[in-house]
Amino acid sequence: QSALTQPPSASGSPGQSVTISCTGTSSDVGGYNYVSWYQQHPGKAPKLMIYEVTKRPSGVPDRFSGSKSGNTASLTVSGLQAEDEADYYCSSYAGSNRSVVFGGGTKLTVL
Amino acid sequence: EVQLVESGGGLVQPGGSLRLSCAASGFTFSSYWMSWVRQAPGKGLEWVANIEQDGSEKYYVDSVKGRFTISRDNAKNSLYLQMNSLRAEDTAVYYCARVHSSSWYVGYWGQGTLVTVSS
Repeated sequence: QSALTQPPSASGSPGQSVTISCTGTSSDVGGYNYVSWYQQHPGKAPKLMIYEVTKRPSGVPDRFSGSKSGNTASLTVSGLQAEDEADYYCSSYAGSNRSVVFGGGTKLTVL
Repeated sequence: EVQLVESGGGLVQPGGSLRLSCAASGFTFSSYWMSWVRQAPGKGLEWVANIEQDGSEKYYVDSVKGRFTISRDNAKNSLYLQMNSLRAEDTAVYYCARVHSSSWYVGYWGQGTLVTVSS
């Protein structure tokens, strides 16, 4: 039940693209296509942005996209906007005991 | 509209107990796995426990096994977390979460309730 590894911070200027990585193991990220991403603004509950590696819930802008290669998943935010500034967390099913593991979070700053 | 409303948080001394509740509405509660997820102040998210639709399967993160118990009452559309032998490191905002067990993501979150363990 070790946490997934994310960079603590990322940044970009408005209109640019930024990619946040999420590294796990073959027991979680690499073993299942069950990676999800959440956005959290200060003092608010998390919000689902991506599920099943690449799928976007209705209402989430298509500027947000997800991918996976081996044990590393990625979230890309294109056309950065001021409101994208938030903390982002990845998550993966970890199989044993129906457990779910989260990443440590990445603070995205829009310069 | 899906709503998850937590209650029961507060200040408790180390070694004490607390019971969190989550009132669910806007969906068929008995059809979903449910979870508790916590977030220590200034820290990241941590999955705490899962419970199957009829309550027969329950799973916990290692750090709370033997101390916390997740349960549900489908007749009352409610989820619970009984927390015993509380420690300072259990201090966190506790979120009630609706889980899509087909691919294990949280589709809906409550607003959270703060539990502070301190003397």
